[in-house]
Amino acid sequence: QQQVKQSPQSLIVQKGGIPIINCAYENTAFDYFPWYQQFPGKGPALLIAIRPDVSEKKEGRFTISFNKSAKQFSLHIMDSQPGDSATYFCAARKGAQKLVFGQGTRLTINP
Amino acid sequence: DAGITQSPRHKVTETGTPVTLRCHQTENHRYMYWYRQDPGHGLRLIHYSYGVKDTDKGEVSDGYSVSRSKTEDFLLTLESATSSQTSVYFCAISDGQGGDEQYFGPGTRLTVT
Repeated sequence: QQQVKQSPQSLIVQKGGIPIINCAYENTAFDYFPWYQQFPGKGPALLIAIRPDVSEKKEGRFTISFNKSAKQFSLHIMDSQPGDSATYFCAARKGAQKLVFGQGTRLTINP
Repeated sequence: DAGITQSPRHKVTETGTPVTLRCHQTENHRYMYWYRQDPGHGLRLIHYSYGVKDTDKGEVSDGYSVSRSKTEDFLLTLESATSSQTSVYFCAISDGQGGDEQYFGPGTRLTVT
Protein backbone atom coordinates (compact mmCIF):
# COMPACT_ATOMS: atom_id res chain seq x y z
CA GLN A 1 0.00 0.00 0.00
CA GLN A 2 1.73 3.12 -1.26
CA GLN A 3 0.47 6.05 0.79
CA VAL A 4 2.34 8.65 -1.24
CA LYS A 5 2.52 8.15 -5.01
CA GLN A 6 5.21 10.02 -6.90
CA SER A 7 5.63 10.58 -10.64
CA PRO A 8 7.41 10.47 -12.96
CA GLN A 9 9.94 7.80 -12.06
CA SER A 10 12.59 9.54 -14.17
CA LEU A 11 12.81 12.88 -15.91
CA ILE A 12 15.27 14.44 -18.33
CA VAL A 13 15.24 18.21 -18.86
CA GLN A 14 17.49 20.62 -20.69
CA LYS A 15 19.41 23.21 -18.71
CA GLY A 16 17.18 26.19 -17.98
CA GLY A 17 13.99 24.14 -18.22
CA ILE A 18 11.46 23.68 -15.41
CA PRO A 19 11.18 20.08 -14.24
CA ILE A 20 8.00 19.30 -12.36
CA ILE A 21 7.64 16.31 -10.03
CA ASN A 22 4.23 15.35 -8.72
CA CYS A 23 3.00 13.56 -5.62
CA ALA A 24 -0.44 12.44 -4.50
CA TYR A 25 -1.60 11.21 -1.11
CA GLU A 26 -4.73 9.72 0.41
CA ASN A 27 -4.44 10.29 4.15
CA THR A 28 -5.94 13.66 5.10
CA ALA A 29 -4.22 13.42 8.49
CA PHE A 30 -0.84 14.19 6.92
CA ASP A 31 0.31 17.55 8.29
CA TYR A 32 3.73 18.19 6.78
CA PHE A 33 5.05 17.61 3.26
CA PRO A 34 8.81 17.77 2.68
CA TRP A 35 10.90 17.20 -0.41
CA TYR A 36 14.28 15.54 -0.08
CA GLN A 37 17.17 15.64 -2.54
CA GLN A 38 19.65 12.78 -2.78
CA PHE A 39 22.94 12.67 -4.67
CA PRO A 40 24.55 9.33 -5.55
CA GLY A 41 26.26 7.71 -2.56
CA LYS A 42 24.78 10.20 -0.10
CA GLY A 43 21.87 10.27 2.29
CA PRO A 44 18.78 12.33 1.45
CA ALA A 45 18.78 15.98 2.54
CA LEU A 46 15.81 18.25 3.12
CA LEU A 47 15.26 20.61 0.20
CA ILE A 48 12.00 22.39 0.99
CA ALA A 49 8.81 21.65 2.91
CA ILE A 50 5.23 22.88 3.17
CA ARG A 51 2.27 22.61 5.53
CA PRO A 52 -1.29 22.13 4.26
CA ASP A 53 -2.46 25.62 5.26
CA VAL A 54 -0.29 27.14 2.52
CA SER A 55 -0.78 26.70 -1.24
CA GLU A 56 2.72 27.59 -2.36
CA LYS A 57 6.20 27.97 -0.92
CA LYS A 58 9.33 29.21 -2.67
CA GLU A 59 12.94 28.86 -1.61
CA GLY A 60 15.36 30.11 -4.20
CA ARG A 61 14.75 28.24 -7.45
CA PHE A 62 12.60 25.58 -5.77
CA THR A 63 8.82 25.90 -5.38
CA ILE A 64 6.26 23.59 -3.82
CA SER A 65 2.68 23.90 -5.04
CA PHE A 66 0.08 22.34 -2.76
CA ASN A 67 -3.52 21.48 -3.64
CA LYS A 68 -5.27 20.35 -0.49
CA SER A 69 -8.62 19.54 -2.13
CA ALA A 70 -6.96 17.34 -4.75
CA LYS A 71 -4.52 15.88 -2.21
CA GLN A 72 -1.61 16.61 -4.50
CA PHE A 73 1.62 18.54 -4.25
CA SER A 74 4.43 19.18 -6.68
CA LEU A 75 8.01 20.41 -6.86
CA HIS A 76 9.07 22.89 -9.54
CA ILE A 77 12.70 23.76 -10.20
CA MET A 78 13.18 27.07 -11.98
CA ASP A 79 16.17 27.67 -14.27
CA SER A 80 17.37 24.09 -13.72
CA GLN A 81 21.10 23.43 -13.73
CA PRO A 82 23.17 20.26 -14.28
CA GLY A 83 24.02 20.39 -10.55
CA ASP A 84 20.33 19.78 -9.81
CA SER A 85 20.66 16.30 -11.25
CA ALA A 86 19.74 14.01 -8.36
CA THR A 87 16.98 11.81 -7.05
CA TYR A 88 14.08 13.66 -5.46
CA PHE A 89 11.69 12.22 -2.91
CA CYS A 90 8.43 13.66 -1.71
CA ALA A 91 7.19 12.65 1.72
CA ALA A 92 4.34 13.18 4.14
CA ARG A 93 4.22 13.07 7.91
CA LYS A 94 1.43 11.53 9.93
CA GLY A 95 2.42 12.30 13.44
CA ALA A 96 5.00 10.89 15.85
CA GLN A 97 7.65 12.38 13.61
CA LYS A 98 7.22 9.54 11.08
CA LEU A 99 7.60 10.17 7.37
CA VAL A 100 6.11 8.23 4.47
CA PHE A 101 8.11 8.62 1.26
CA GLY A 102 7.20 8.52 -2.39
CA GLN A 103 9.04 6.19 -4.75
CA GLY A 104 11.51 8.81 -5.95
CA THR A 105 12.24 10.61 -9.23
CA ARG A 106 15.61 10.46 -10.89
CA LEU A 107 16.14 13.89 -12.46
CA THR A 108 18.77 14.54 -15.12
CA ILE A 109 19.50 18.07 -16.30
CA ASN A 110 21.37 18.04 -19.60
CA PRO A 111 23.84 20.89 -20.28
CA ASP B 1 26.35 17.20 7.55
CA ALA B 2 24.57 16.56 10.80
CA GLY B 3 26.68 14.52 13.18
CA ILE B 4 25.51 11.09 12.10
CA THR B 5 27.75 8.16 11.33
CA GLN B 6 26.82 4.67 10.25
CA SER B 7 28.91 1.57 10.49
CA PRO B 8 29.82 -0.42 8.61
CA ARG B 9 29.42 1.48 5.36
CA HIS B 10 29.49 -1.70 3.29
CA LYS B 11 28.89 -5.29 4.27
CA VAL B 12 28.52 -8.58 2.47
CA THR B 13 27.09 -11.44 4.46
CA GLU B 14 25.64 -14.87 3.90
CA THR B 15 22.02 -15.91 4.20
CA GLY B 16 21.13 -17.00 7.71
CA THR B 17 23.78 -15.02 9.54
CA PRO B 18 22.93 -12.27 12.05
CA VAL B 19 23.94 -8.73 11.14
CA THR B 20 24.03 -5.57 13.25
CA LEU B 21 24.21 -2.08 11.82
CA ARG B 22 25.10 0.87 14.01
CA CYS B 23 23.98 4.47 13.90
CA HIS B 24 25.75 7.04 16.06
CA GLN B 25 24.74 10.68 16.49
CA THR B 26 26.41 13.60 18.20
CA GLU B 27 23.39 15.94 18.05
CA ASN B 28 21.58 14.70 21.16
CA HIS B 29 18.38 14.38 19.11
CA ARG B 30 15.50 12.49 20.65
CA TYR B 31 14.23 10.63 17.59
CA MET B 32 16.19 8.10 15.57
CA TYR B 33 15.01 6.10 12.58
CA TRP B 34 16.08 3.21 10.39
CA TYR B 35 14.99 3.17 6.74
CA ARG B 36 15.75 0.90 3.84
CA GLN B 37 16.01 2.20 0.30
CA ASP B 38 15.17 0.01 -2.67
CA PRO B 39 14.58 0.95 -6.32
CA GLY B 40 10.93 1.70 -6.97
CA HIS B 41 10.07 1.86 -3.28
CA GLY B 42 11.71 5.04 -2.08
CA LEU B 43 12.59 4.95 1.60
CA ARG B 44 10.60 2.74 3.90
CA LEU B 45 10.63 3.00 7.67
CA ILE B 46 11.81 -0.13 9.47
CA HIS B 47 11.82 0.96 13.13
CA TYR B 48 12.16 4.19 15.01
CA SER B 49 12.99 5.34 18.52
CA TYR B 50 11.52 8.23 20.48
CA GLY B 51 13.88 7.93 23.43
CA VAL B 52 16.27 5.62 25.22
CA LYS B 53 14.74 2.13 25.29
CA ASP B 54 11.60 3.49 23.56
CA THR B 55 11.13 2.01 20.11
CA ASP B 56 8.30 1.21 17.72
CA LYS B 57 7.75 -0.57 14.45
CA GLY B 58 7.61 1.01 11.04
CA GLU B 59 6.01 -0.29 7.87
CA VAL B 60 8.61 -3.01 7.05
CA SER B 61 9.73 -4.28 10.46
CA ASP B 62 9.49 -8.05 9.90
CA GLY B 63 12.90 -9.70 10.26
CA TYR B 64 14.44 -6.68 12.00
CA SER B 65 14.93 -5.68 15.61
CA VAL B 66 16.37 -2.53 17.16
CA SER B 67 17.86 -1.36 20.41
CA ARG B 68 18.67 2.00 21.88
CA SER B 69 20.51 1.89 25.20
CA LYS B 70 22.02 5.37 24.86
CA THR B 71 20.76 8.57 23.30
CA GLU B 72 23.53 8.57 20.73
CA ASP B 73 23.34 4.98 19.48
CA PHE B 74 20.60 3.11 17.60
CA LEU B 75 21.31 -0.44 16.50
CA LEU B 76 19.51 -2.37 13.77
CA THR B 77 19.78 -6.16 13.87
CA LEU B 78 18.85 -8.62 11.16
CA GLU B 79 18.31 -11.77 13.18
CA SER B 80 18.87 -14.12 10.24
CA ALA B 81 19.70 -12.27 7.06
CA THR B 82 17.83 -13.13 3.85
CA SER B 83 18.49 -12.09 0.26
CA SER B 84 15.38 -9.88 0.37
CA GLN B 85 17.17 -7.76 2.97
CA THR B 86 19.84 -6.75 0.47
CA SER B 87 19.40 -3.00 0.45
CA VAL B 88 20.85 0.35 1.40
CA TYR B 89 20.05 1.21 5.00
CA PHE B 90 19.82 4.79 6.21
CA CYS B 91 19.69 6.09 9.73
CA ALA B 92 18.02 9.43 10.40
CA ILE B 93 17.56 11.70 13.40
CA SER B 94 15.23 14.51 14.37
CA ASP B 95 14.92 16.59 17.50
CA GLY B 96 11.12 16.52 17.72
CA GLN B 97 11.13 19.89 19.49
CA GLY B 98 9.23 21.79 16.84
CA GLY B 99 11.92 20.95 14.31
CA ASP B 100 10.48 18.86 11.55
CA GLU B 101 13.56 18.01 9.57
CA GLN B 102 15.00 14.53 9.57
CA TYR B 103 18.75 14.41 9.02
CA PHE B 104 20.06 11.34 7.27
CA GLY B 105 23.31 9.48 7.67
CA PRO B 106 25.53 8.35 4.77
CA GLY B 107 23.98 4.89 4.51
CA THR B 108 25.12 1.28 4.75
CA ARG B 109 25.06 -0.92 1.67
CA LEU B 110 24.24 -4.48 2.74
CA THR B 111 24.44 -7.43 0.40
CA VAL B 112 23.13 -10.82 1.51
CA THR B 113 24.38 -13.67 -0.68
